[in-house]
Amino acid sequence: DAGITQSPRHKVTETGTPVTLRCHQTENHRYMYWYRQDPGHGLRLIHYSYGVKDTDKGEVSDGYSVSRSKTEDFLLTLESATSSQTSVYFCASRSSGTNTGELFFGEGSRLTVL
Amino acid sequence: LAKTTQPISMDSYEGQEVNITCSHNNIATNDYITWYQQFPSQGPRFIIQGYKTKVTNEVASLFIPADRKSSTLSLPRVSLSDTAVYYCLVGEMYSGGGADGLTFGKGTHLIIQP
Repeated sequence: DAGITQSPRHKVTETGTPVTLRCHQTENHRYMYWYRQDPGHGLRLIHYSYGVKDTDKGEVSDGYSVSRSKTEDFLLTLESATSSQTSVYFCASRSSGTNTGELFFGEGSRLTVL
Repeated sequence: LAKTTQPISMDSYEGQEVNITCSHNNIATNDYITWYQQFPSQGPRFIIQGYKTKVTNEVASLFIPADRKSSTLSLPRVSLSDTAVYYCLVGEMYSGGGADGLTFGKGTHLIIQP
């Protein structure tokens, strides 16, 4: 499996506080993605990155920002967390050179906003 | 982006063959069909990918008819450990760092009983 880790794995915070989730990959993958997963909604794409400092919005980007200053790290920031952002967040990466476009996922970060 | 439709849930028994069908009526010429598997509290994992006809690997087969408007994931002789959510994705996987082909939807919850 690709070396992709997320931190923190669990976090409880209060409404209005900033939160940053970190995704770290050791595979030198060019592309990285942040998803959220909620009951009844499946996985929804928040933001993605196609290279260092190159990012774009996914289908549910409101309230989230991302940054990618190094190939291996992709940060997801909630500037002011709300209860609707309580979710499980998954990071994924993929190489530009594979013939399947296979996504490799982290183990997820469970965020609870009280 | 091609929209996909899958059954919300399916039940089967150990030792049976399970077929999960995905509909994608507006699939484009350059689109590939990819299936992922997700266990509780884990990120999705790539199972198989195909473009047309039949693809087989060590865990599954993928059947794609000539019109490519649907596809069927076949799991031979399932066991209890195959209980998971299965996602069908359709998109142009080689389009670079975009988000095409990365919409997961709600998936099919497969439950295997003894």
